Amino acid sequence: GAGVSQSPSNKVTEKGKDVELRCDPISGHTALYWYRQSLGQGLEFLIYFQGNSAPDKSGLPSDRFSAERTGGSVSTLTIQRTQQEDSAVYLCASSIDPRKGTIYFGEGSWLTVV
Amino acid sequence: AQTVTQSQPEMSVQEAETVTLSCTYDTSESDYYLFWYKQPPSRQMILVIRQEAYKQQNATENRFSVNFQKAAKSFSLKISDSQLGDAAMYFCAYKDDKIIFGKGTRLHILP
Repeated sequence: GAGVSQSPSNKVTEKGKDVELRCDPISGHTALYWYRQSLGQGLEFLIYFQGNSAPDKSGLPSDRFSAERTGGSVSTLTIQRTQQEDSAVYLCASSIDPRKGTIYFGEGSWLTVV
Repeated sequence: AQTVTQSQPEMSVQEAETVTLSCTYDTSESDYYLFWYKQPPSRQMILVIRQEAYKQQNATENRFSVNFQKAAKSFSLKISDSQLGDAAMYFCAYKDDKIIFGKGTRLHILP
């Protein structure tokens, strides 16, 4: 696609429910990144993919968080048993190559856990 | 591990004036990229400018320019002729494979 696309744009969920956030990177971009940004805070690295594999999962905050990428394209970030502290904007970005190239961001998925 | 430091949490500048935002980073790599991103209240991350570490020449994009000092590991952003639309959060970022962001500088433009 023309840009990085994320869905849903906004999600309100009840505490304890599972949520899935989707990211569709720019066509041809092999590297895909997930970040979390809480209100008034900076960007917290979660995970990045090179193709379908995730060389670095070090940022995932707990085992309730998981992510996958299929076909070297779409990625899904899943949060199980959501907690109120999971409320944040989840930003996805892609790059043509993990070591080169500009990173382009989607508009984010705003998650609110009530 | 790589780190990125933005030492100015907030800055203000008069409209039409020039302002410089500071960024320092730490890495043992020689090949990497540096970026400045702007984040307005909409939360969309907008690329302002980028610099390849192997290039000595400082990047410029219209009113935006950088002062890249590789030996000092410094990457400051200069905004000339500041405009009200420049008001935003600015993030400095370092990239080799993973991308590391600084904590941001909130820039206010005073009319």
